[in-house]
Amino acid sequence: AQTVTQSQPEMSVQEAETVTLSCTYDTSESDYYLFWYKQPPSRQMILVIRQEAYKQQNATENRFSVNFQKAAKSFSLKISDSQLGDAAMYFCAYRLSTSGTYKYIFGTGTRLKVLA
Amino acid sequence: EPEVTQTPSHQVTQMGQEVILRCVPISNHLYFYWYRQILGQKVEFLVSFYNNEISEKSEIFDDQFSVERPDGSNFTLKIRSTKLEDSAMYFCASQVQGAITYEQYFGPGTRLTVT
Repeated sequence: AQTVTQSQPEMSVQEAETVTLSCTYDTSESDYYLFWYKQPPSRQMILVIRQEAYKQQNATENRFSVNFQKAAKSFSLKISDSQLGDAAMYFCAYRLSTSGTYKYIFGTGTRLKVLA
Repeated sequence: EPEVTQTPSHQVTQMGQEVILRCVPISNHLYFYWYRQILGQKVEFLVSFYNNEISEKSEIFDDQFSVERPDGSNFTLKIRSTKLEDSAMYFCASQVQGAITYEQYFGPGTRLTVT
């Protein structure tokens, strides 16, 4: 069964510094997507970045980038120039493709604190 | 920008009562999902819905749960007889097509409190 593991329950970063959140996953499939979602105190899930498994190039979105290591099944999120608004719960998610549906498998999340 | 909406934002109900959580997916989307997040835990898949029928459901989605799209715009999750352990945040999501390239868009969630 596919699983997603986030081994860091909580991380802290100083404002303007860089932080990396870890995620590993397990799958036997070759074609899949990986996502990072942000969940601020409002609880809404906001897409931060996504990575296609068939692409070797790491995805970037402004201050957010990923380090995708397919062979190692690792998908970490780097946040550069951290801002107070980045404080949130971050979930790594794997996009499963089975039976014609595409449900997400989420990790347990990492709570990011940004220190002023 | 189109977005998924959910009502109510917070629902309080007594154990044993029926609740209906409502979602309005993005208008041209075809695939719909419900996820659940118990406080402090990860988000879990409940059910997916396409072409007016359930595509897949998790072991959480037992006979107490049902989904429907009654009028072509709303997508509802019904819990027939709520239990204390049903207290959670329920997220609706929609997706434009079934291809793996399309991401899901999440609503803001409904917080369900069962007392």
